[in-house]
Amino acid sequence: GQNIDQPTEMTATEGAIVQINCTYQTSGFNGLFWYQQHAGEAPTFLSYNVLDGLEEKGRFSSFLSRSKGYSYLLLKELQMKDSASYLCAVMDSNYQLIWGAGTKLIIKP
Amino acid sequence: IAGITQAPTSQILAAGRRMTLRCTQDMRHNAMYWYRQDLGLGLRLIHYSNTAGTTGKGEVPDGYSVSRANTDDFPLTLASAVPSQTSVYFCASSDGSSYNEQFFGPGTRLTVL
Repeated sequence: GQNIDQPTEMTATEGAIVQINCTYQTSGFNGLFWYQQHAGEAPTFLSYNVLDGLEEKGRFSSFLSRSKGYSYLLLKELQMKDSASYLCAVMDSNYQLIWGAGTKLIIKP
Repeated sequence: IAGITQAPTSQILAAGRRMTLRCTQDMRHNAMYWYRQDLGLGLRLIHYSNTAGTTGKGEVPDGYSVSRANTDDFPLTLASAVPSQTSVYFCASSDGSSYNEQFFGPGTRLTVL
C-alpha cells in the first residue's frame, strides 16, 4: 500500500530552526510537495521537489532523497506565525497526491 | 471571484438528507479535486476530474457523486448523508501539468447528525 509518515506534533522556540521529516512508500513517484495549513484554513503550497537535493526559498528549505524515500522541510528563524500544520504529499504514478496526516508545529516564545 | 470558492462555509445536516457542496474556480484550471480532511488523517481524495466532461474515483468515493459540466464548476453530492460523512471538505484545482500544484478552496465544514 501507499504510506506517508511524518511526526504528529513538534514544538520549537521562536527564532530557532526546526526540521520536519517525511518518509514515503508510494506506487511511483512524480514529485513531493509540502503544504502549510493554519488551523481552520485551507492548505497552501510551500515547496516542490522532484530531483534529489535541497530547494531553498527564503526561510524555508525542502530536501529530497528519492533512494531513501525521505524528505524534510527546514524552517529557519521561526516566527509565531509559523505555528501551523505542515503536510507532506507525494504525487504517485497516476499523478494523484497521496497525503501524510500532517505535522502540527507549535512555536513557543 | 479570485481563485476557488466553496459553498456553504458550514452546514449541519440530518442523516438521510441529500446535500450538494458547491465549488467554483476562475483560474481556468483543467483538473479539479474533492478531498475530505478528518482529524489525525491525511487529506483523502474523494473524486477528481482531469478535464470538463470527465470524472474519476479517488480513495474514498462511496456515498459521493460529482459532475463536471464545465471547466469552472465541480459540485459534490451526498445522496443520503450518514454521520461518518461528518468532515471538512476541500475542493482544489490544478492546471493539470506534471508539476500539478493544487490550489485549495476555503473548505466546507459538514456535520451529519
